[in-house]
Parts: sequence; structure tokens; C-alpha cells
Amino acid sequence: EVQLVESGGGLVQSGGSLGLSCGAFGFRFNYYWMSWVRQAPGKGPEWVANINRDGSEKYYVDSVKGRFTISRDNAKNSLYLQMNSLRAEDTAVYYCATDPGWGAYDRWGQGTVVTV
Amino acid sequence: DIVMTQSPLFLPVTLGQPASISCRSSQSLVHTNGNTYLHWFQQRPGQSPRRLIYKVSNRDSGVPDRFSGSGSGTEFTLEISRVEAEDIGVYYCMQGTLRPHTFGQGTKLDIK
Repeated sequence: EVQLVESGGGLVQSGGSLGLSCGAFGFRFNYYWMSWVRQAPGKGPEWVANINRDGSEKYYVDSVKGRFTISRDNAKNSLYLQMNSLRAEDTAVYYCATDPGWGAYDRWGQGTVVTV
Repeated sequence: DIVMTQSPLFLPVTLGQPASISCRSSQSLVHTNGNTYLHWFQQRPGQSPRRLIYKVSNRDSGVPDRFSGSGSGTEFTLEISRVEAEDIGVYYCMQGTLRPHTFGQGTKLDIK
């Protein structure tokens, strides 16, 4: 079964750090670009960052540049998001998603909640 | 950044009746490669978003054929030919033509 499972969310003080993980199951993880997308309470989704198949290209939304780092380990079928200098406005459900190209996110995890 | 504007924001519909959601982008979504990367997502209450339609009009596997997408340039539409109870939720358009990928504010579909 195709599945994405996020973990690592929680409650953190402003200025603190948190690391999120996303495990991929049931498909060829190294075939896909991967993205983190977040959704603040009562708001629409917001793309946060994405990474290419081998991890050599990374892109971020301006509001997290210099604070968040996306990475992946294809041997472990895992995606990561290291979040530093967290702010209240980073409070959201964070989803990982596969990106077959051009933002067409076709698989989403169940999300993990981050509260700052 | 490209701004995506949806209308209406709230859409009460009678079961069995059609529904239509409009999405407008602040600039053309036609990529230099000729493709238009406009996608539609559905988010049912308490669930993660789910892709319904990609590249304007391509319906995903398992999506009922009562859902259809159309449009070009900066104007796009998601149509539901006959609304069913399972269609309740929020619908988002999203552009993937330029980074940052941006979503519309969402249209909440509810049953009258």
C-alpha cells in the first residue's frame, strides 16, 4: 500500500527547533521529487519546500529560507524537514507529499502538527 | 508570487444539482514549455488534501467523472455535474508553473 507517514511534530517555544520526518512506503521513493506543504489552522495549504530525486536541488518559500532545511535519505525512504528559529506563524499541520512534477502533489501523508 | 483567487468562497448546493468553482491567477499559468500547471485538490473534513485534477483537465484515477476541469491562461473552472454528499469539503486550485507554488484560498462546498 502506498503510504506517507509524518512524525516529529509537537509543541515548541518561539525560537526553538524541531525536526520532522516522513517515511515512504509502497512506491519507488527515489523516483519522486518530494515536498513539504503546511496548513495553518483555518487556512489553505502553503508550499514550504521541495527537493529533487537525489537531494541536489532544494527550494524554499521565502518565509522559511535560512531557517528550514529539507533533506532526504533514499536508502531509508525518508524525507526530513529541520526547522530552526521557529515563530508563531509556523504553527500548522505539516504534510509531506510526492511531487511527480510541477506541483501536482499526488500523494499526501496524514500530517503532523507543529505548534509554536 | 502568483496569487490565486477563488470564487465563491462558500458554495451551498442542493444534492443532485451542479456546482462550479472559479479560479483566477494573477498571471498566465502557461509555462514556456507550453503546459499549464493548474491543479485542483479536495479536502474533506478532517482529512489531508487529495488531488482531483492535474494540468487543468486531467482527472485522477478513482475520481468520479462528475468532476471536470477546464480553462486556460488565467481563468479556470472546476465543475461538479451533480453534487453528492461525499463531495462536501473545501476545494483548492493550485499553480505549479512558477515557484513558489501557490494555492487559492479555498471554496467550501456544503449541502443546502
